[in-house]
Amino acid sequence: DAKTTQPTSMDCAEGRAANLPCNHSTISGNEYVYWYRQIHSQGPQYIIHGLKNNETNEMASLIITEDRKSSTLILPHATLRDTAVYYCIVSARGATNKLIFGTGTLLAVQP
Amino acid sequence: GAGVSQSPRYKVTKRGQDVALRCDPISGHVSLYWYRQALGQGPEFLTYFNYEAQQDKSGLPNDRFSAERPEGSISTLTIQRTEQRDSAMYRCASSRRDSANSPLHFGNGTRLTVT
Repeated sequence: DAKTTQPTSMDCAEGRAANLPCNHSTISGNEYVYWYRQIHSQGPQYIIHGLKNNETNEMASLIITEDRKSSTLILPHATLRDTAVYYCIVSARGATNKLIFGTGTLLAVQP
Repeated sequence: GAGVSQSPRYKVTKRGQDVALRCDPISGHVSLYWYRQALGQGPEFLTYFNYEAQQDKSGLPNDRFSAERPEGSISTLTIQRTEQRDSAMYRCASSRRDSANSPLHFGNGTRLTVT
């Protein structure tokens, strides 16, 4: 499975866009990019996923580079409740969706 | 409810006792996953099922850990002869299909403390 690299922590001002980067330089053509977040002691929450096209839903946007070696999760208007650990994970298409979590990025939204 | 339900929320047990943790997945979800999470770490995969069949148990740390899903719905994770190092948050997740294009949805977990 492809590994991902994320910054350990990031700050963002409330109301501004939060852009969380992820490197997955060893990703193969059949692997999806997933983003989850975990707020305090709650269970991980699914945010968004994509294969090669950019994706948008009510929570966030996912921008995947053309070579698929990196991606960015965008929270368009961060709020204090978006403070959480954000995990970027790659998952194999057609196989189990067994997700291997790394240590993620702690996003702190500042008032 | 609409989400993944786990019980109990908290379990305190003495070293050497057996414990059973329960997971009730989202209705109709084919796949069910068990994870373990230590404080400050990301969730660690333990095992997963499609319907009642255990597909992958490569993450179970040793033979004291077992899981079953006999009717393809509710699952039980059993830890025999618990040890202090088993203390952690145990999380269950389910997905609609067994596919990399099918997101996992997690429950709020069972906090296990072994004294």
